Amino acid sequence: ELKVEQNPLFLSMQEGKNYTIYCNYSTTSDRLYWYRQDPGKSLESLFVLLSNGAVKQEGRLMASLDTKARLSTLHITAAVHDLSATYFCAVDLYGGSQGNLIFGKGTKLSVKP
Amino acid sequence: NAGVTQTPKFQVLKTGQSMTLQCAQDMNHNSMYWYRQDPGMGLRLIYYSASEGTTDKGEVPNGYNVSRLNKREFSLRLESAAPSQTSVYFCASSEMWLEYEQYFGPGTRLTVT
Repeated sequence: ELKVEQNPLFLSMQEGKNYTIYCNYSTTSDRLYWYRQDPGKSLESLFVLLSNGAVKQEGRLMASLDTKARLSTLHITAAVHDLSATYFCAVDLYGGSQGNLIFGKGTKLSVKP
Repeated sequence: NAGVTQTPKFQVLKTGQSMTLQCAQDMNHNSMYWYRQDPGMGLRLIYYSASEGTTDKGEVPNGYNVSRLNKREFSLRLESAAPSQTSVYFCASSEMWLEYEQYFGPGTRLTVT
């Protein structure tokens, strides 16, 4: 059974600080997704990581994938209040054949001034 | 482009009542999905449809049925609602050439009393 674990589950940061969210998964997969969810809203795709060593950056967020370690990280640089949201990682259960995603429980990020 | 639309946005049911949640996408995607989101649980896949005419069970299918009416529409039916089905339901769609990046609808908040 594929398990996807995120940590931390709750993260309170000060503006301007850096931090990393970790996503570990239990079986082989070379396809990993990061999503953002604002309170009461739907999910928005942030990154799609498709191979070992993949790195993608958008603004203050950078995601990477290490398939050998079964680990993805979401790094936040110089956090701002607008980044406050819940971040989910998701792993493709069948390695990309049908898009069946198993989600982590999410990391609720709160950025305080 | 409306993307993925869901109706209704909110619904209250009594135990034992039935209802159908509707989902439609206008992006010409082949794959569609139904998830439920419960506090602290992330998203869990209920059913998916890899293409028109096919449906398959996900992680938590019990108590639900689905219909892929055509390429655009994918409905979720609760035959006899139970309080355990109180949740927020999200529909999503994706496509192989988009690396199965999933696009989510706005969600339906369902309460079963």
